[in-house]
Amino acid sequence: SQTIHQWPATLVQPVGSPLSLECTVEGTSNPNLYWYRQAAGRGLQLLFYSVGIGQISSEVPQNLSASRPQDRQFILSSKKLLLSDSGFYLCASRQEGQETQYFGPGTRLLVL
Amino acid sequence: GNSVTQMEGPVTLSEEAFLTINCTYTATGYPSLFWYVQYPGEGLQLLLKATKADDKGSNKGFEATYRKETTSFHLEKGSVQVSDSAVYFCALHGSGNTGKLIFGQGTTLQVKP
Repeated sequence: SQTIHQWPATLVQPVGSPLSLECTVEGTSNPNLYWYRQAAGRGLQLLFYSVGIGQISSEVPQNLSASRPQDRQFILSSKKLLLSDSGFYLCASRQEGQETQYFGPGTRLLVL
Repeated sequence: GNSVTQMEGPVTLSEEAFLTINCTYTATGYPSLFWYVQYPGEGLQLLLKATKADDKGSNKGFEATYRKETTSFHLEKGSVQVSDSAVYFCALHGSGNTGKLIFGQGTTLQVKP
């Protein structure tokens, strides 16, 4: 079965600083990968998804970007963080041909 | 477009009470339906799923039946425990082959001893 790793687990960053969150996947190859954000007390918002290396689709316009430099690595970045970027960021993986997504433990980001 | 609507929380129950969390959906065709659970401070875990009409998904005492006629996938458990306290998300598999899931807004369940 798949295992999704995310780090860091918690991050406190000042406004205007850069961001890099990493997600890696074990136990599968050529997965579809997803970044979600969960704001406090709210549901999940899909930010980006990727069907392969270098292929990124953005779901909502925002201050963030994503990259997939390797098959099982998905990175979420920002050049300058905003207060509104605070939230709980979840990475998910889906094996080709299946519908179930498996989630990582998440990164809690607080922008001050 | 596709959407999922869950009952608003929080839902507060005493231990051993019966649980129902309502979920209805709007979709073209017959999408697969899911319930995910998020324990405090953690990511989401798949709880159960159903892939076609009248299927019943079940896990850890939780059940949900795919009802095409009412476009619903309500989550039930006969006797909740304090350890069931969590946020529950209903979701459907969107159309196309991108695998995108469309989530409801989540329902917080708090079980008191």
